[in-house]
Amino acid sequence: DAKTTQPNSMESNEEEPVHLPCNHSTISGTDYIHWYRQLPSQGPEYVIHGLTSNVNNRMASLAIAEDRKSSTLILHRATLRDAAVYYCILRAQGGSEKLVFGKGTKLTVNP
Amino acid sequence: EAQVTQNPRYLITVTGKKLTVTCSQNMNHEYMSWYRQDPGLGLRQIYYSMNVEVTDKGDVPEGYKVSRKEKRNFPLILESPSPNQTSLYFCASSLSTGFIYEQYFGPGTRLTVT
Repeated sequence: DAKTTQPNSMESNEEEPVHLPCNHSTISGTDYIHWYRQLPSQGPEYVIHGLTSNVNNRMASLAIAEDRKSSTLILHRATLRDAAVYYCILRAQGGSEKLVFGKGTKLTVNP
Repeated sequence: EAQVTQNPRYLITVTGKKLTVTCSQNMNHEYMSWYRQDPGLGLRQIYYSMNVEVTDKGDVPEGYKVSRKEKRNFPLILESPSPNQTSLYFCASSLSTGFIYEQYFGPGTRLTVT
């Protein structure tokens, strides 16, 4: 099965950029990389996803390595409301509809 | 409003007493799935459904059943709950398969089995 590896925790200061890494060396060539976040006492919410090229939306940017074995979620200016657990997610293997979550990175944002 | 709803939100039950957690989405999504979340283990997929009458096992299906008789509903059934099924459960849906589209998660159901 595909597997994702993320740091357990990261810390940032408010208004500064944050780069959250994810390794997924066994990713299939056709699989999207998804990022979700979970705020305390809430269900996960979608952040961004991409296939090969870098992606931007109003919440974040996603930088995907050329070999697709890693990706980085970029929060351009962290706010206190961005404090959450961030998950990088793949499909279990090419063609499977089973999803594999990493353990997630707990982001702390300091005022 | 586009949403995934789960009921009940909180449930305390006893070992062996059958229960059903309902999940419903109003977005005409094909793909639905159930997850459990436990401290230190993150989110793990229990079952998923690619469309009506099509379901398959996720990572931790033991002790659970699902059915998908209608597109909008995907109930999670615990025939004989045990204390190790005490957990926080999330239902999610997505427009289609292939993990091409974003998933929408429900608010969660906190289950305690004594």
